[in-house]
Formats: sequence, C-alpha cells, structure tokens
Amino acid sequence: QSVLTQPPSASGTPGQRVTISCSGRGSNIGSNTVNWYQQFPGAAPKLLIYSDNERPSGVPDRFSGSRSGTSASLAISGLQSDDEADYYCAAWDDSLNGLYVFGTGTKVTVL
Amino acid sequence: QVLLQESGPGLVKPSETLSLTCGVSGDSIISGTYYWGWIRQPPGKGLEWIATIYYSGSTYYNPSLKSRLTISVDTSNNEFSLRLSSVTAADTAVYYCARQRGLRRGLDPWGQGALVTVSS
Repeated sequence: QSVLTQPPSASGTPGQRVTISCSGRGSNIGSNTVNWYQQFPGAAPKLLIYSDNERPSGVPDRFSGSRSGTSASLAISGLQSDDEADYYCAAWDDSLNGLYVFGTGTKVTVL
Repeated sequence: QVLLQESGPGLVKPSETLSLTCGVSGDSIISGTYYWGWIRQPPGKGLEWIATIYYSGSTYYNPSLKSRLTISVDTSNNEFSLRLSSVTAADTAVYYCARQRGLRRGLDPWGQGALVTVSS
C-alpha cells in the first residue's frame, strides 16, 4: 500500500556519498514534512531524520535530508559499513481522512 | 529513557481477533505531549502504518484497515492497545508500537516488535 516510491537498492564504497530518493504527490510530500527511518535486519526501525532535515540526538551529521515539491531525498556522506541497512521515507498524507504513509524502502549496500 | 513493549499472543487463528498491548515506561501517556501509534511489517516486506491514538481518545486509522480496527488507551496502566478482527494470513506481520510527537512528526522510539502469525 506504499504511496511513496523509493529505489529498491543503492550502494557505494566506504567514504562515498549515497543519495536515496523518495517520490510522492501533493497530498503527502507536497504538503507535509518528511521523516526517514533506518532499519537493520531483525531490529525495529529507528528515526533518522524528521521534519525534512532535522536529526534526533545521536544521529551523525553524515545523514541529511531535503524536500522539494513532491520529492524528498536522504543523503549519506562518508559512507560506512555500519550504514548498511534498509531506509524508509514517510509522511502524513492529507487524502481521505488522513493517513501516515511509508515509502517502499531502499536497501543500502556498502561495497 | 522511554521504552515501549508490545505484548500479546504470537499465534492467531484465521477469522479471529488479533489483540496487542503496548506498555509505556519512562513517559506518561496522559502528558498530552505525544501521540501513540501502531505499525506493522509483513515478513520480508515494508512498513505499514496501522493507527494512531491520542490520550484523549482521538483516533486515526488506516482507511484500508479501519473496518476491522479498534485502538484504545488505558491511562491507568499507561498502555494502549490494538484489536484487529477477522484476520487472515495477510495480517501475519511484526507489529510495532511507537511514540509520535504529532501526526505529521516522526515515530520515535519504537518497541522491539511482536511477531503475530495468523494460522490454523
């Protein structure tokens, strides 16, 4: 039921910069801020970015987010092996009576 | 430190009702600062928001699940609950509870998750 579209995979070598896109529409990303989550295998997701580009305490500044129009992106600079995980974007959608929608998810692999 | 913990049966028969509870420690549901949500993840698949509740009882449901869903809050025990009726194998998933500063804000933190399998 995901209405936010992400590439299924992304990869890079240690130290590189990787960017993940998240495409939505006017009722979600076009109208509301975007949050990003990081999930390791077998673990619960963790909030990585909120309100487009804010980092919770403890999240390295290597992670950054942005939003423009109906799209958003997550950038990981100085890629590390520990960054290998699934990443999900999410936003509130104003359609119907409102619902919180997640992206399809992107698996980041460190080569 | 805020901790959330899901609890409930790990196995539910088809057509029956799935019931889960999320216990909250380190924060008070009635503080009114946060909303409280449920999210699920079928094995090997992505995340799906189920519902969110505010301490006052205001509820927000995923339209695709609304007809089968009930969420409630128990302020005396500082916990909130989920009931999903008429379950099928498609409802097999890890169910997470999480805290949310606002409907449009991020979910943080999350519980560790509870695997619920629908099978006879």
